[in-house]
Amino acid sequence: GDSVTQMEGPVTLSEEAFLTINCTYTATGYPSLFWYVQYPGEGLQLLLKATKADDKGSNKGFEATYRKETTSFHLEKGSVQVSDSAVYFCALSGGSNYKLTFGKGTLLTVNP
Amino acid sequence: EAGVVQSPRYKIIEKKQPVAFWCNPISGHNTLYWYLQNLGQGPELLIRYENEEAVDDSQLPKDRFSAERLKGVDSTLKIQPAELGDSAVYLCASSLSLAGQQETQYFGPGTRLLVL
Repeated sequence: GDSVTQMEGPVTLSEEAFLTINCTYTATGYPSLFWYVQYPGEGLQLLLKATKADDKGSNKGFEATYRKETTSFHLEKGSVQVSDSAVYFCALSGGSNYKLTFGKGTLLTVNP
Repeated sequence: EAGVVQSPRYKIIEKKQPVAFWCNPISGHNTLYWYLQNLGQGPELLIRYENEEAVDDSQLPKDRFSAERLKGVDSTLKIQPAELGDSAVYLCASSLSLAGQQETQYFGPGTRLLVL
């Protein structure tokens, strides 16, 4: 079945540091890929998505590129802020059932 | 535009008691999902509705869990009786799904359940 493996946290960075959170997936066919973010006490918010190979999703300075050859969708940001502290989830959606399959989440803490 | 609304936000009950969660999706969204999120894990799908029809309930533990979506809008998820292991966050999401098209799922804030 479909699965998502993402880098285990927690990840602790200083403000303005470079961020990478690795995500790889296993799926049949050609899934859509997503990054969701969950701020403390809130629900999941879509951060960015990519629907086909080589697409780059971007939002709020975050980027991720759909790499079919390496089955990866790594999240990057050039300069993190304290307000980026949250849990980040990589997810895929494939086939006709529209189900989202999530990774376990990565807790990011950014210190001033 | 209002987002997905869930209530209550928090619920504490004793084991063997019943509990119900309510979800109001984004207006116009025909597909509604219930997910279970255990501590330190990603959400897992429990059930998916397209309009009033439950089209995927394969992961719903039917001995104690039930759900309904009357009139294809609001939905209720019920647990009866609750067990200690049901302590988790229950998330509702909705999307506008068109034939052959996967649309973005938008999540509510969740209901955090604690079973004592």
